[in-house]
Amino acid sequence: EDQVTQSPEALRLQEGESSSLNCSYTVSGLRGLFWYRQDPGKGPEFLFTLYSAGEEKEKERLKATLTKKESFLHITAPKPEDSATYLCAVQAYGTASKLTFGTGTRLQVTL
Amino acid sequence: DADVTQTPRNRITKTGKRIMLECSQTKGHDRMYWYRQDPGLGLRLIYYSFDVKDINKGEISDGYSVSRQAQAKFSLSLESAIPNQTALYFCATSDLSQGKAGELFFGEGSRLTVL
Repeated sequence: EDQVTQSPEALRLQEGESSSLNCSYTVSGLRGLFWYRQDPGKGPEFLFTLYSAGEEKEKERLKATLTKKESFLHITAPKPEDSATYLCAVQAYGTASKLTFGTGTRLQVTL
Repeated sequence: DADVTQTPRNRITKTGKRIMLECSQTKGHDRMYWYRQDPGLGLRLIYYSFDVKDINKGEISDGYSVSRQAQAKFSLSLESAIPNQTALYFCATSDLSQGKAGELFFGEGSRLTVL
């Protein structure tokens, strides 16, 4: 059974204080790993897809990286508008596009 | 207007009532999904559909049914609602193109409370 574990559950940062969110996974054969952002009262919004170990993707202050066992979402010099819950999901080969989601990391960035 | 629209956004009902949640999309995607989100459990897949004639059960389909009325419309029904179906429900779509299947586009959610 595919599993995704995200840590920490919650993270509070001051503006400008860089940090990383972790997503550990076990999957029979990784087809893709996905990061989403979810604001309160909204549906998740797609951020990145990573396909193979060593791959990196960047968008503004966010950078996602992937190893064979985990992915990190690095947040550099965060701003209050980066406050959200960040979700990680995996897709395995042969699962017909079904994603297995983690429970998310709730990030709060304060002034 | 939102690309993926869910109705109703909020609903309170009683145990045993039949409830339908509706989803329509303007993205032109073939694939549509229904997920539920519960605190501490994350998003879990209820049903998914790859086209009008293709409906598949997800990991937690018991107590739910779906209908794909058209490429753009996918509804979720609870035939006899029970309190543990209280949750936030999301409809999502994805592109059939290679490499895009995991990029889901979500609606804003339907919060269902069963008393």
